[in-house]
Amino acid sequence: GIQVEQSPPDLILQEGANSTLRCNFSDSVNNLQWFHQNPWGQLINLFYIPSGTKQNGRLSATTVATERYSLLYISSSQTTDSGVYFCAVELYNFNKFYFGSGTKLNVKP
Amino acid sequence: NAGVMQNPRHLVRRRGQEARLRCSPVKGHSHVYWYRQLPEEGLKFMVYLQKENIIDESGMPKERFSAEFPKEGPSILRIQQVVRGDSAAYFCASSAGVQDTQYFGPGTRLTVL
Repeated sequence: GIQVEQSPPDLILQEGANSTLRCNFSDSVNNLQWFHQNPWGQLINLFYIPSGTKQNGRLSATTVATERYSLLYISSSQTTDSGVYFCAVELYNFNKFYFGSGTKLNVKP
Repeated sequence: NAGVMQNPRHLVRRRGQEARLRCSPVKGHSHVYWYRQLPEEGLKFMVYLQKENIIDESGMPKERFSAEFPKEGPSILRIQQVVRGDSAAYFCASSAGVQDTQYFGPGTRLTVL
């Protein structure tokens, strides 16, 4: 199956700092989504981004499908950004997501 | 516009009991997916269903696990004779169509004592 690798696995930031999370995938994909799992376990859909760039407030994401990677940018981080960030990809003709193992972010006040 | 609903949110079972997890998709969505998240891991696909049909169950354990999505009512994930290794968070997602955005529910956290 497809490999989805996220880096870094763990990240500690001081409040106000910026960060970049990376997701590499081993095959062409039809769909890519970024999720935030908050400390209560809830999965929040951040971006649907199979290609191109999107922005939503302090968060933005870029997917370069031809080079098989996606980046999630967090600017001016806040303690509420803490949690685990997952990248998930969906292959053509396969109606299921393959998740990476996540980046665990801890933003300290 | 309600999102994906899952109940119960927390479920405790003793070894050997049955666990039934329910998922109501977004209104109008006819595609349902179940994923399992073991502690400290990412989510793993289990099964994909459309109304009354199992489309892909390649991620389901061969024994004790079953899923259904009847014509009326929620999708059910059923685990018979639970064991400690079944302790996990089970997430349901739904989509409007094939390869559309999947919307995830809040999950059911199953603890097997």
